[in-house]
Amino acid sequence: DVKVTQSSRYLVKRTGEKVFLECVQDMDHENMFWYRQDPGLGLRLIYFSYDVKMKEKGDIPEGYSVSREKKERFSLILESASTNQTSMYLCASSLGSDTQYFGPGTRLTVL
Amino acid sequence: QKEVEQNSGPLSVPEGAIASLNCTYSDRGSQSFFWYRQYSGKSPELIMFIYSNGDKEDGRFTAQLNKASQYVSLLIRDSQPSDSATYLCAVNFGMDSSYKLIFGSGTRLLVRP
Repeated sequence: DVKVTQSSRYLVKRTGEKVFLECVQDMDHENMFWYRQDPGLGLRLIYFSYDVKMKEKGDIPEGYSVSREKKERFSLILESASTNQTSMYLCASSLGSDTQYFGPGTRLTVL
Repeated sequence: QKEVEQNSGPLSVPEGAIASLNCTYSDRGSQSFFWYRQYSGKSPELIMFIYSNGDKEDGRFTAQLNKASQYVSLLIRDSQPSDSATYLCAVNFGMDSSYKLIFGSGTRLLVRP
């Protein structure tokens, strides 16, 4: 079974803090993704990576950056958290253009 | 603009009935199609995928794809209260975005006991 894990289920941060969200997958998948999910807006792609050290912007990259130093790990960084970044953050991984498997999600609250 | 459209619902069906969930997409060249189920507060989990026109069955679930009309459906037979969830349709549009899936906003299904 594919296993995608995320570092925290719930996180509370203050405005202006730097926030790191970690995602690890154990299936040697090439592709990894970061989404945010908000009521009424569905899943929106922030960034994705198709190889180590490679990244591409998704639909809403502003205010975020990513890092992929190892194949199994993909980090999402909020350089200076703002209240409008309060959301559910979901990491996913896939092999090629195949099914994406999701981690359990991190519910981030920025106060 | 590549888009995936779903009726937000809620779709309410009695226990034991067939639930029919529909999804339309904007690009005729789309290659693969996925249905995910998401319980409240949880992450999406894959139910099934379909690549070719026609029907694909897996237990109580049937996915139907019609590329000419650009829609994909999910039928749930003998619906159970535990099927109550939001169902997300996702499409791989291929070409220069071959790694990415575009998700619909989901249809909420309620199965009444």
